Amino acid sequence: AQSVTQLDSQVPVFEEAPVELRCNYSSSVSVYLFWYVQYPNQGLQLLLKYLSGSTLVKGINGFEAEFNKSQTSFHLRKPSVHISDTAEYFCAVSDLGTDKLIFGTGTRLQVFP
Amino acid sequence: DTAVSQTPKYLVTQMGNDKSIKCEQNLGHDTMYWYKQDSKKFLKIMFSYNNKELIINETVPNRFSPKSPDKAHLNLHINSLELGDSAVYFCASSQGILGNQPQHFGDGTRLSIL
Repeated sequence: AQSVTQLDSQVPVFEEAPVELRCNYSSSVSVYLFWYVQYPNQGLQLLLKYLSGSTLVKGINGFEAEFNKSQTSFHLRKPSVHISDTAEYFCAVSDLGTDKLIFGTGTRLQVFP
Repeated sequence: DTAVSQTPKYLVTQMGNDKSIKCEQNLGHDTMYWYKQDSKKFLKIMFSYNNKELIINETVPNRFSPKSPDKAHLNLHINSLELGDSAVYFCASSQGILGNQPQHFGDGTRLSIL
């Protein structure tokens, strides 16, 4: 993988509203795709991953993501967010067969009451 | 039980000093990593070790020297610290080097250079 783009640096949303965090990548080979979440003063936690198979991937905390090969995208969605979802979200990519993760610049999700 | 633990959590020191950060994982993984997260939250791989062997070595100044005494530990030593080294350093671990296993991260070490 050569790069990962997270177009939105910040996404403000009200509680119980749906949200989509966008991720696009560029690579000349097949890839593995990941979404990680970082809460304040903590390390990253895996939300979900796409390795192969079904393009719709379900993760923890009600999040899901869809792999679109033709658009080289892996957008993250949640139908109804909670205050506790406020965090930094990182999309990451690695080329098939390697463990070198390339991270996007992150999207700050801010959920308001 | 902490899966990936780093010490210290905070490190404040002066330019020119030498410092070390330690990392230990109790997950039984065979691969460990060091990442640097800058002030804009950008996260970049620095090194990875698999069974004590260096696998990934990004374009990092040679003032940074990782050391893996065994597969459960990966330490990072930094010589002649510079202002630009101020960042949060994360240790991570995973199983294998094929990339299909998730990486588990520690809580980070916040390094501040005065």
